[in-house]
Amino acid sequence: QVLLVQSGAEVKKPGASLRVSCEASGYSFTGYYIHWVRQTPGQGLEWMGWINPNSGDTTYAQLFQGRITMTRDTSISTAYMGLSGLRSDDTAVYYCAKRAVADAVPIFDHWGQGTLVTVSS
Amino acid sequence: EIVLTQSPGTLSLSPGEGATLSCRASHSITTQLAWYQQKPGQAPRLLIFGATNRATGIPHRFSGSGSGTDFTLTISRLESEDFAVYYCQYYGSSPPFGGGTKVEIK
Repeated sequence: QVLLVQSGAEVKKPGASLRVSCEASGYSFTGYYIHWVRQTPGQGLEWMGWINPNSGDTTYAQLFQGRITMTRDTSISTAYMGLSGLRSDDTAVYYCAKRAVADAVPIFDHWGQGTLVTVSS
Repeated sequence: EIVLTQSPGTLSLSPGEGATLSCRASHSITTQLAWYQQKPGQAPRLLIFGATNRATGIPHRFSGSGSGTDFTLTISRLESEDFAVYYCQYYGSSPPFGGGTKVEIK
């Protein structure tokens, strides 16, 4: 059974940085791209980018270029999404997600449970 | 940049009725379209990909149609668990999502 388990809710100050983790189980972690998607009250669902856990290669959405970093630790089957320079409009639920097929196409069969991040002074 | 527009914003229906949800793309996206269902407090759930293909385990009452710029998700007979928000998504580059259609109980 494929499971993606994310880290818990966080409250951050404007300007701070964030790191959310996504621990995978039930499949070969290095065989499938991990994507990150966030859901905000104002903008709805937004795709943020992906990481190839095998190579570490990443692709980021232009909206987040310069302040997003995706990494992984294959020894513990965990992917990470970091976001810097947080603003109030970064308040969102952040999801990791993967496809059932081993390619980068952003179709999401499996999702983490979501991590609520609140940015507030 | 592809923009997806969903309509209507809200659909008020009774269990047993059929539902027709629309998704329009600003430019042709051939059949690179997926549909998701989301219930409160849950992550989205993949229903349809390739505009017409049901994902694993999705009931046959859900069907997708369309190509190019106009797409439809049809729920043939609404069951209680189908009342939720539905999103379409283009899965090309920088994949956008539509704004969603809420299917609520009338």
